[in-house]
Amino acid sequence: EPEVTQTPSHQVTQMGQEVILRCVPISNHLYFYWYRQILGQKVEFLVSFYNNEISEKSEIFDDQFSVERPDGSNFTLKIRSTKLEDSAMYFCASKRTQASEQYFGPGTRLTVT
Amino acid sequence: GENVEQHPSTLSVQEGDSAVIKCTYSDSASNYFPWYKQELGKGPQLIIDIRSNVGEKKDQRIAVTLNKTAKHFSLHITETQPEDSAVYFCAARALDLLINTGTASKLTFGTGTRLQVTL
Repeated sequence: EPEVTQTPSHQVTQMGQEVILRCVPISNHLYFYWYRQILGQKVEFLVSFYNNEISEKSEIFDDQFSVERPDGSNFTLKIRSTKLEDSAMYFCASKRTQASEQYFGPGTRLTVT
Repeated sequence: GENVEQHPSTLSVQEGDSAVIKCTYSDSASNYFPWYKQELGKGPQLIIDIRSNVGEKKDQRIAVTLNKTAKHFSLHITETQPEDSAVYFCAARALDLLINTGTASKLTFGTGTRLQVTL
């Protein structure tokens, strides 16, 4: 069964450093998302991406964040200058059509020290 | 924007008993309501969903009900088993099927329910 994959599973970085979180969505999916989950809290929407552009973003997704689909398979989230409060699980999700369900990857745990 | 409330935050049941988790939503435009199960260290896994044109959906031991008037929906798990132990999240989404864009399709999640099934 196809699944969303994410790398790395755990990333530790120092405050102020740039990180890139990588995702490989399911191959025939067209809509891509990033969510984050601070430890013990609910999953929060960050950004959606369709047709090679951002279609929606939350207030969390400020200028420090960017997304890219550099080729036909990868979908990346970049945090330019990490802050302590960026520590969280980051989940990538994808779906095939506008009406279909979203499938989540296993997440990347980002720890900012 | 949409706000989803979920109760209870923790739920402990004995194996074989039923478990019910309830959610309310605020945006009357929401028309799609999935439920996700999250096991420790893993991403959310879709277990069942319901669209606003139906009031109930069942899949083996899992069922979901939706009351659009009251803006609430519930997850029912019958004959619970230890492997049902996990955190369950409800979510809501407004979907405009007439417009094929990526907008208005984000999921708004509830705060989660930690279900513990004891032997």
